[in-house]
Amino acid sequence: SQTIHQWPATLVQPVGSPLSLECTVEGTSNPNLYWYRQAAGRGLQLLFYSVGIGQISSEVPQNLSASRPQDRQFILSSKKLLLSDSGFYLCAWSPSLEYNEQFFGPGTRLTVL
Amino acid sequence: GQNIDQPTEMTATEGAIVQINCTYQTSGFNGLFWYQQHAGEAPTFLSYNVLDGLEEKGRFSSFLSRSKGYSDLLLKELQMKVSASFLCAVTGSNYQLIWGAGTKLIIKP
Repeated sequence: SQTIHQWPATLVQPVGSPLSLECTVEGTSNPNLYWYRQAAGRGLQLLFYSVGIGQISSEVPQNLSASRPQDRQFILSSKKLLLSDSGFYLCAWSPSLEYNEQFFGPGTRLTVL
Repeated sequence: GQNIDQPTEMTATEGAIVQINCTYQTSGFNGLFWYQQHAGEAPTFLSYNVLDGLEEKGRFSSFLSRSKGYSDLLLKELQMKVSASFLCAVTGSNYQLIWGAGTKLIIKP
């Protein structure tokens, strides 16, 4: 069966500090991978998605970046965090684009102070 | 533009039936998903509709009308543990999910 891991679970960072969130998927190959951010009481905002190694599409301009160094690894980064980067970050995977049921990791709650 | 609308909050009584509506305006349609999200947790899949009509799964069922651009999620025999947010998401023409803001369902005894 497939599982998706994210870490860390919670993170408190000062403004201007760097960020690295990691997501890995087990039990499947060549998944589509997604990074979302969810502000408190709001819906999901798609940040990045990837259909393969080294292929990253950005949906929203911001000070974040994503990389996919391996088939089942997806990393979200920032060089300098802003207060507005606080939120709940979710990684998800789907088996195909045509049937886009997405399976979510447990999430990382990021607080920028 | 693309838009997904859901009520912000609904209240229902334990054991009752509740219907949560989702209306959408998207460039293209390739399916509609409903997810349940408990506070502080990740969303989990509930149902999927791509053709008009009703999909039933135990206490959950979802109805889709593509011509009218809406879906209803029907929850029966409500239990307290069902209290959560319910998110509607539509697969658009580029096969990306467009998410609604979610409906917070409060169940009272």
